Amino acid sequence: ETGVTQSPTHLIKTRGQQVTLRCSSQSGHNTVSWYQQALGQGPQFIFQYYREEENGRGNFPPRFSGLQFPNYSSELNVNALELDDSALYLCASSLTGPNTEAFFGQGTRLTVV
Amino acid sequence: GQSLEQPSEVTAVEGAIVQINCTYQTSGFYGLSWYQQHDGGAPTFLSYNALDGLEETGRFSSFLSRSDSYGYLLLQELQMKDSASYFCAVTHQGGKLIFGQGTELSVKP
Repeated sequence: ETGVTQSPTHLIKTRGQQVTLRCSSQSGHNTVSWYQQALGQGPQFIFQYYREEENGRGNFPPRFSGLQFPNYSSELNVNALELDDSALYLCASSLTGPNTEAFFGQGTRLTVV
Repeated sequence: GQSLEQPSEVTAVEGAIVQINCTYQTSGFYGLSWYQQHDGGAPTFLSYNALDGLEETGRFSSFLSRSDSYGYLLLQELQMKDSASYFCAVTHQGGKLIFGQGTELSVKP
């Protein structure tokens, strides 16, 4: 157990809908990153939040947005869902800095139909 | 662009030693990390190399050569529970991780 919890664990949505995924980071961690993992692929970096500000973004369109709260928990919002958005969404918490271990949650399995 | 290359699958027997290689092309490199992911599970951290050389943690070791843009993960005394996917990941400023496609390791009795 990493101490990073994500909810919900599974979700089915219809194309065009909006979804919000949630992540509670490990105690004391001030940085949260979100990743999308398609089946059989490596996780792809979506964005990172540090002290409630976006601190880096991967190659994802603006309909992927996020928030970080004062307690360092975080949300990932995806608007106008597309079939290709079906994936495992992983949240990782860490302390700031490049040489710190990232602790991943179990992920949210999103299926868009 | 940024890319990491690692073998898609490796098979070995219990008790053996296996090496999973990773080559990368990237800018803003801070270090190379390795993660293990079992089916349906979360990626878990195995090791991190920021400098050239070998890092050893129990049965697992990781090596980095920055001049060759190359690293490897060495797993010794393989056990059935080591069957999983293994990802190398380049660490960028701020801790952003760029992952490879993963290597599926199958350990046979």
